[in-house]
Formats: sequence, C-alpha cells, structure tokens
Amino acid sequence: SQELEQSPQSLIVQEGKNLTINCTSSKTLYGLYWYKQKYGEGLIFLMMLQKGGEEKSHEKITAKLDEKKQQSSLHITASQPSHAGIYLCGAAWNTNAGKSTFGDGTTLTVKP
Amino acid sequence: EAQVTQNPRYLITVTGKKLTVTCSQNMNHEYMSWYRQDPGLGLRQIYYSMNVEVTDKGDVPEGYKVSRKEKRNFPLILESPSPNQTSLYFCASSLGTSGGLTGELFFGEGSRLTVL
Repeated sequence: SQELEQSPQSLIVQEGKNLTINCTSSKTLYGLYWYKQKYGEGLIFLMMLQKGGEEKSHEKITAKLDEKKQQSSLHITASQPSHAGIYLCGAAWNTNAGKSTFGDGTTLTVKP
Repeated sequence: EAQVTQNPRYLITVTGKKLTVTCSQNMNHEYMSWYRQDPGLGLRQIYYSMNVEVTDKGDVPEGYKVSRKEKRNFPLILESPSPNQTSLYFCASSLGTSGGLTGELFFGEGSRLTVL
C-alpha cells in the first residue's frame, strides 16, 4: 500500500541480533496494528497502538507509535529463529471504521 | 476452540465458473472482512461487514459479492471468476468496531484460489 509503507522489505539477521522494522503512514493515523504471518498462513495479531508515544511489548517484541512522524517502529530484541516470518502493519484511518489498510510486509529471516 | 474457518483451502477452477468461498467464525464476532494477498501488492481488503445485513466495499471489490445473513457466516462469491482473481484469500473477524478501530482481527488460514 502506498498509504502505508514498510521498511525494509526484507531483513536477514543473525540469531541474537536486534532489529527494527518501520511503518510510515501518508495520512493521519487513528490506530496502528502489527501482525505476524508465517508464509502462506493467516496473520497473528501482535499489538495495537492508538495514542502517540504509546509503546507496547509482546515477549521480546516492542512497538512504538510516533504521532508526529505518523510512524510506528517494531523492535525485536535478541532475535530467534521463531521470530522469522512476515511482519505487517495495518492502519485505521479516522474516516471509516470498517476499512483497514495493510503495509506490504517485511520478511524477516533469522539465521541460527 | 475459537477460530475462523475457511473452505475450501485450495481450489483450482476455470474462468466463468461461479464459486463460493465460505467463512465461519465461532466467536460471536460482529465484524468480518475479506482480503486478498498477492505478491508485490500486499494484503488488500475486498469487502467487510460491521454486522448482520451490513456490508461495505473495501479497496478491491470488483468481481466479488458477499452476504451476511447470519452473524457467524460471511461467504465470498465469485460470480464469474477470471485469472486476475487468482490469489490467496483471507477471512477475518473481530468483536466489532470501537472508536473507529476494529481491534484485534482473527484470521482464517487462507484459501488459495487458482483460476485458469
């Protein structure tokens, strides 16, 4: 989606390393979601951020919402092979409650 | 077990042959939605439903129909499938919208459709 851009597109890291994935919105965010997907499978919810500056954690994954930049970053500490997959951000715009837009995803590979 | 179930999981069909992909959730969720996922285009919303008998278009509704006659079911209908509808389809549901947010979406395992 051009409205929601993720970077990088793909990432290969060594096990134990930290990494960050970014999601930038071209419109004012009302809320932002992070999901993880194993290849060809359904998405699993990680967390939802709504307020600027909000930060949430799920195991070793932390996400933060920067309202000024209209951007969210997802940070994984001490990556493990189990973190491998596709990470997608999803946005809620303050226009239509039912519509949802997702970024194109970031493919993460963790090398043992 | 709380889940969203899609059927079929895999289907190969031919152009013009009507097909329905079923979606059922057992969580009493109000909100349901269909997406398609294509390489390079990401996950795009086709249709969504805020509640029974209430449906609305997403970003790519052309060529699809939906209905929501019961809370648990939200079938996706392709009246006359074409090769450009070859894709991986996902159904999702959530408790409902609150303050403009759908909240946590629960996804089905996906239906891989090939139209020849």
